[in-house]
Amino acid sequence: GAVVSQHPSRVICKSGTSVKIECRSLDFQATTMFWYRQFPKQSLMLMATSNEGSKATYEQGVEKDKFLINHASLTLSTLTVTSAHPEDSSFYICSALYREKNTEAFFGQGTRLTVV
Amino acid sequence: GQNIDQPTEMTATEGAIVQINCTYQTSGFNGLFWYQQHAGEAPTFLSYNVLDGLEEKGRFSSFLSRSKGYSYLLLKELQMKDSASYLCAVGEGYQKVTFGIGTKLQVIP
Repeated sequence: GAVVSQHPSRVICKSGTSVKIECRSLDFQATTMFWYRQFPKQSLMLMATSNEGSKATYEQGVEKDKFLINHASLTLSTLTVTSAHPEDSSFYICSALYREKNTEAFFGQGTRLTVV
Repeated sequence: GQNIDQPTEMTATEGAIVQINCTYQTSGFNGLFWYQQHAGEAPTFLSYNVLDGLEEKGRFSSFLSRSKGYSYLLLKELQMKDSASYLCAVGEGYQKVTFGIGTKLQVIP
């Protein structure tokens, strides 16, 4: 199957700083990428949908100024958590839609963010 | 919006068969996905159903009834490595996918 690489896998940052998470589709073009957040023992919650070359669409309750998403190319989307707080500590996962196979989304490995 | 219900936990014996049910309510149904997620890892795709009926893929099968808003994932010949959470996810409209809370399956010897 197609490969989606997410980096970093783990990050610890100080409260008030910003963290950038990258999501790359390695062997296919992804017109659409999704960003999810998963708190312990909870479901994946969609944060935003990212389309190449256009602004991301955020889900209700997700602050677009806090979670900056950039989808500059067909293989890269980034999520920047700005002015991170301890309550932003979570597991962030991206997924990418395979352009020719829109029924299947491939997930990155996830990023465990801890804000101290 | 969507409502997705699945059991939170199940236990089954190695070598046995287990069925994980999922019911959903949605407007604009556009397919139902099953994913497997091991603790601390990203989900991996198992199946996608958009038409009624049973789709079989090796030891895993998935069933869908759109009129009943019901799906199940069937795992045969259970192995210890099948211990994981199984997420039911519903597609709505174009590209939006909403996940259930997941069913934590424990396979015991």
